[in-house]
Amino acid sequence: TQLLEQSPQFLSIQEGENLTVYCNSSSVFSSLQWYRQEPGEGPVLLVTVVTGGEVKKLKRLTFQFGDARKDSSLHITAAQPGDTGLYLCAGETPKSNYQLIWGAGTKLIIKP
Amino acid sequence: SAVISQKPSRDICQRGTSLTIQCQVDSQVTMMFWYRQQPGQSLTLIATANQGSEATYESGFVIDKFPISRPNLTFSTLTVSNMSPEDSSIYLCSVLALRADTQYFGPGTRLTVL
Repeated sequence: TQLLEQSPQFLSIQEGENLTVYCNSSSVFSSLQWYRQEPGEGPVLLVTVVTGGEVKKLKRLTFQFGDARKDSSLHITAAQPGDTGLYLCAGETPKSNYQLIWGAGTKLIIKP
Repeated sequence: SAVISQKPSRDICQRGTSLTIQCQVDSQVTMMFWYRQQPGQSLTLIATANQGSEATYESGFVIDKFPISRPNLTFSTLTVSNMSPEDSSIYLCSVLALRADTQYFGPGTRLTVL
């Protein structure tokens, strides 16, 4: 069974603090995606990483794909209340036929 | 990207009844998926909707309980049959757009079974 372990599952911090969310697996992924979901809506794609060691930045969000393509992290700098939401990582393996392996999700609350 | 709509957005149903959820995409897509999600938790894939043929179901999900149709490249339905309170969940449609390798999601249907 392929697993994607995401941590932490819940995080509540003050506005202005930094945080990191991790996704780890023993499987190699051809790509890994990060989504953000707000209540009452579907997940919205933030970024896709495909190359080992790749780093992508989206304003205050930094995404990194591990060199071995087995893990990824999402780092948020100076978190704001608008960052509150459920963050999900999802990996695609080379033989998955576009089906994704999902992490458990990180529920993030940024307090003003 | 693709714009996806789902109907209904939410519903409250009685035990033993069935509900059909519709998913409409604004462009042709290669693959369509149906997921289930408990609020605040991760997604569980129910099935892949195949155009013109039977859907491909994941372990733990069967056609009699979750019949799926996909008559064309832009539309699919998921029926939740003979519902029980355990079926209360959010049901999400997602698509894989042409020339894309990422999935886009509909807004979801929040189902409550009494």
